[in-house]
Amino acid sequence: GENVEQHPSTLSVQEGDSAVIKCTYSDSASNYFPWYKQELGKGPQLIIDIRSNVGEKKDQRIAVTLNKTAKHFSLHITETQPEDSAVYFCAATFGRAGSYQLTFGKGTKLSVIP
Amino acid sequence: DTAVSQTPKYLVTQMGNDKSIKCEQNLGHDTMYWYKQDSKKFLKIMFSYNNKELIINETVPNRFSPKSPDKAHLNLHINSLELGDSAVYFCASSQFQNQPQHFGDGTRLSIL
Repeated sequence: GENVEQHPSTLSVQEGDSAVIKCTYSDSASNYFPWYKQELGKGPQLIIDIRSNVGEKKDQRIAVTLNKTAKHFSLHITETQPEDSAVYFCAATFGRAGSYQLTFGKGTKLSVIP
Repeated sequence: DTAVSQTPKYLVTQMGNDKSIKCEQNLGHDTMYWYKQDSKKFLKIMFSYNNKELIINETVPNRFSPKSPDKAHLNLHINSLELGDSAVYFCASSQFQNQPQHFGDGTRLSIL
């Protein structure tokens, strides 16, 4: 099955600095890569996603890049704020039409220090 | 209005009991899911339903039985609860497969 590796497992940055989280996947047929933010006591919330026909996508302070050849994708958060502190998960699709499923990375706990 | 709602939010029960968790989505989505998040925060798919039909059934003990009375609801029934079942269970939905998934806020299940 699909395997998604996520690094680092914890990340501390100063407020205003940038944060980068990296993921690699194993199934070359994967074509959808979402990123989720999970705050304490809440469910994962989709913050950005990218499909395999696109190399980069940006939404305000958040961007995702995808390198299909190397099978890795990254989340970039610029001008970090304390409210960005949370656990972030990357995910990749696995399977074929009719039975797609998401495989998640193990998460990155981001702490933004005021 | 909450898009994906789960009840109860907390469930504390004894080993061996049977319990159910309910999930409802008001997004008009066709596909619903159950995930298990363990103590290390690892999220793993358990089941996926598309328009009331089971399409994914991962390696889950048959003590877990999902039921979808209609496409807006996906309930999870667990028989003979074991200590290892303690986790947070999340329901999610998406318009179709391979589309953005929206998660509920989870049900924290604790087995005594």
